Amino acid sequence: DAGITQSPRHKVTETGTPVTLRCHQTENHRYMYWYRQDPGHGLRLIHYSYGVKDTDKGEVSDGYSVSRSKTEDFLLTLESATSSQTSVYFCAIEGQGAPGYTFGSGTRLTVV
Amino acid sequence: DAKTTQPPSMDCAEGRAANLPCNHSTISGNEYVYWYRQIHSQGPQYIIHGLKNNETNEMASLIITEDRKSSTLILPHATLRDTAVYYCIVGYSTLTFGKGTMLLVSP
Repeated sequence: DAGITQSPRHKVTETGTPVTLRCHQTENHRYMYWYRQDPGHGLRLIHYSYGVKDTDKGEVSDGYSVSRSKTEDFLLTLESATSSQTSVYFCAIEGQGAPGYTFGSGTRLTVV
Repeated sequence: DAKTTQPPSMDCAEGRAANLPCNHSTISGNEYVYWYRQIHSQGPQYIIHGLKNNETNEMASLIITEDRKSSTLILPHATLRDTAVYYCIVGYSTLTFGKGTMLLVSP
């Protein structure tokens, strides 16, 4: 969506390797979120950020870490990828001037 | 667990109004009702939100009951492009998505 991009769009990685997904925004929004979406589970919140270097855990944070060193970038790292982390990952932003969350196009991650 | 209950699927004829119900009997006083939709594999899209009063925007109308225990999203003239999963969410800060309602709009 306009103002938010996720990279990469697709990635295949091996079990046990670290993986970093990037969310970049040009809206200068304060809040950023990482969700994962799996069949039968809907979207589940992994981590979120309410400012530079301010982050907190969501409902499925085990095995994931995040960093936000700049307003525009929110990184999600899988420290040691497992097959259970195969999923579609969505980033979202929220801030003044726009109601609700704006979601990115998603990253499809496959761990083999 | 999601705080809302939605039917898993609904059908609507093109050009007719689509009325999507949502129950949220445990909603707290400061929690908003949000509606999003997700078309195929795209990221969810914000539609509308409200606290107590009914709301309308260019996409839809939101009707919230007086006791705030349920709401209805109304798409006044559904088109084929409105076929999507519709999520009703209650919350104040972070949002928890349930499984939503799959709305199929047919010609």
